Amino acid sequence: NAGVMQNPRHLVRRRGQEARLRCSPMKGHSHVYWYRQLPEEGLKFMVYLQKENIIDESGMPKERFSAEFPKEGPSILRIQQVVRGDSAAYFCASSPPPGLAGRHEQFFGPGTRLTVL
Amino acid sequence: ELKVEQNPLFLSMQEGKNYTIYCNYSTTSDRLYWYRQDPGKSLESLFVLLSNGAVKQEGRLMASLDTKARLSTLHITAAVHDLSATYFCAVARNEKLTFGTGTRLTIIP
Repeated sequence: NAGVMQNPRHLVRRRGQEARLRCSPMKGHSHVYWYRQLPEEGLKFMVYLQKENIIDESGMPKERFSAEFPKEGPSILRIQQVVRGDSAAYFCASSPPPGLAGRHEQFFGPGTRLTVL
Repeated sequence: ELKVEQNPLFLSMQEGKNYTIYCNYSTTSDRLYWYRQDPGKSLESLFVLLSNGAVKQEGRLMASLDTKARLSTLHITAAVHDLSATYFCAVARNEKLTFGTGTRLTIIP
């Protein structure tokens, strides 16, 4: 059973460009979470999604950031018109649906390290 | 707003010594996690603590939870170099995790 997959692992963008980060959850997991980690800091929650639904986006910046988890395909975190302050590691995690074993755990992907020049 | 504080932020230990990392949180929570992160890597789940008084042990690491005091501890016994990493506690509320600032642990031979 493959773990949570993220791509790309490293992404370099110039200011003003768009960044698209992808996350494929573990098989059988229907819940996806995105977190951001600035250098030398802990992870900060951004958004929690289920298939085709955003459940909690209280940690998402109000502008330029969006997330989706379509019925088919990976979850996408999209950052428009990137700025230098967006440089960070972005981690995706997934968990099983409620009622299944392990529902309490979030399993993290390897992260995407975004550098904005 | 849920706040999670860890201390110490930095910890240098000699091999063979024991030490404890503390995690305090501000409001009631569903559960508490401990993670390990190596430089440039993702997070590895160490423990999930679900109830008051829970204690879990894996090798040289032992985690405990006191929900009344809103305190969790991660105890390291007879440290070895392989334990050098950053350790995070994270508190869950409504399916979202709030992380502590992390404790960067360095084990010195």
